[in-house]
Amino acid sequence: GAGVSQTPSNKVTEKGKYVELRCDPISGHTALYWYRQSLGQGPEFLIYFQGTGAADDSGLPNDRFFAVRPEGSVSTLKIQRTERGDSAVYLCASSTGLGGELFFGEGSRLTVL
Amino acid sequence: TQLLEQSPQFLSIQEGENLTVYCNSSSVFSSLQWYRQEPGEGPVLLVTVVTGGEVKKLKRLTFQFGDARKDSSLHITAAQPGDTGLYLCAGLTGNQFYFGTGTSLTVIP
Repeated sequence: GAGVSQTPSNKVTEKGKYVELRCDPISGHTALYWYRQSLGQGPEFLIYFQGTGAADDSGLPNDRFFAVRPEGSVSTLKIQRTERGDSAVYLCASSTGLGGELFFGEGSRLTVL
Repeated sequence: TQLLEQSPQFLSIQEGENLTVYCNSSSVFSSLQWYRQEPGEGPVLLVTVVTGGEVKKLKRLTFQFGDARKDSSLHITAAQPGDTGLYLCAGLTGNQFYFGTGTSLTVIP
């Protein structure tokens, strides 16, 4: 694909439900990042993958959040027992490597009622 | 945790005016990037600065990286309505790009 693709673009769920957000990075990009952004604020780092492994997951807020990238391409961010405070836009970015330009998707807007 | 503080948080100016956005931290970064984000879209890279004291120009935009690599500024000359957006700085340390708190710029025609 031409750019980073994220699905769904919008997700409305109820408190306590499980959600998955998908990111399809630019082909050949080995680095993949997940960020969370509130309205008008800067993105907050969640997790960084280099290839298949999570090189840095220090930004995940608690054990309800988990992300995988099993084949080094598509990544899924999983949120268990969602809370209203999880409502935000979840951004995915890919890069050719650490320190390179981040190419962002349009984000998945999560609303927890 | 956001290590980078941007100021001002909001800025509304008339077309043709000049402005400066600041990005400050107590941490040292190996490189710093500036992004612009429009509503409903992801941030798009404007520039990367790597060397302390480095100045880069991109048309009407001038970016400077502080000598100690802890801070940066973005200066826009003769702002245009097309410059409207959320401006974000992002510093690289370790494996992470830490983003700033953001500056929302509105340029009024």
